[in-house]
Amino acid sequence: KAGVTQTPRYLIKTRGQQVTLSCSPISGHRSVSWYQQTPGQGLQFLFEYFSETQRNKGNFPGRFSGRQFSNSRSEMNVSTLELGDSALYLCASSLRQGGNYEQYFGPGTRLTVT
Amino acid sequence: AQRVTQPEKLLSVFKGAPVELKCNYSYSGSPELFWYVQYSRQRLQLLLRHISRESIKGFTADLNKGETSFHLKKPFAQEEDSAMYYCALTDTGRRALTFGSGTRLQVQP
Repeated sequence: KAGVTQTPRYLIKTRGQQVTLSCSPISGHRSVSWYQQTPGQGLQFLFEYFSETQRNKGNFPGRFSGRQFSNSRSEMNVSTLELGDSALYLCASSLRQGGNYEQYFGPGTRLTVT
Repeated sequence: AQRVTQPEKLLSVFKGAPVELKCNYSYSGSPELFWYVQYSRQRLQLLLRHISRESIKGFTADLNKGETSFHLKKPFAQEEDSAMYYCALTDTGRRALTFGSGTRLQVQP
């Protein structure tokens, strides 16, 4: 089976712009979670989608949003980018909803905000 | 709020030496604990979870509710164990994973 794929792998944006990141889960997986990884804060949970519905949300401002399509592919959007949004954004898929199920991680999208 | 603490950023041992990666958590309910590992140039992946009580690649971890710890142990380290190790937990509702800051294990020849 193909693993979780994320596009693009690298992105450079300017402060104030908005960005959309994409994640394709493993075939048959219906849950997609997003994480932000930074040197200072480590891995932090953003949100989880299951069956096109957001099931859980981390402690991030409303500038961070996401959605899931009927084929389980997911996108996350960050509006009005700030320098502090520079991070590695990881997507993970699993068979079922909930962090207790094994999460299969993608390679990440490295976002740099200048 | 739940919290996972990994006190060591870097742990360096020689091949064949015992390894213990520390993980402490704070959560008032009954959490589920995990160890995830990231080898060089590879993706983050699940190593083991406390409910399965398995030994994976020679690693074991026991949940100690009294000490709120879930330390990862291996009796004899191998060079291929060099990686970044993350301890994580989910809450009673089995919702989001909360990760620790990670420990880099370096096994020297």
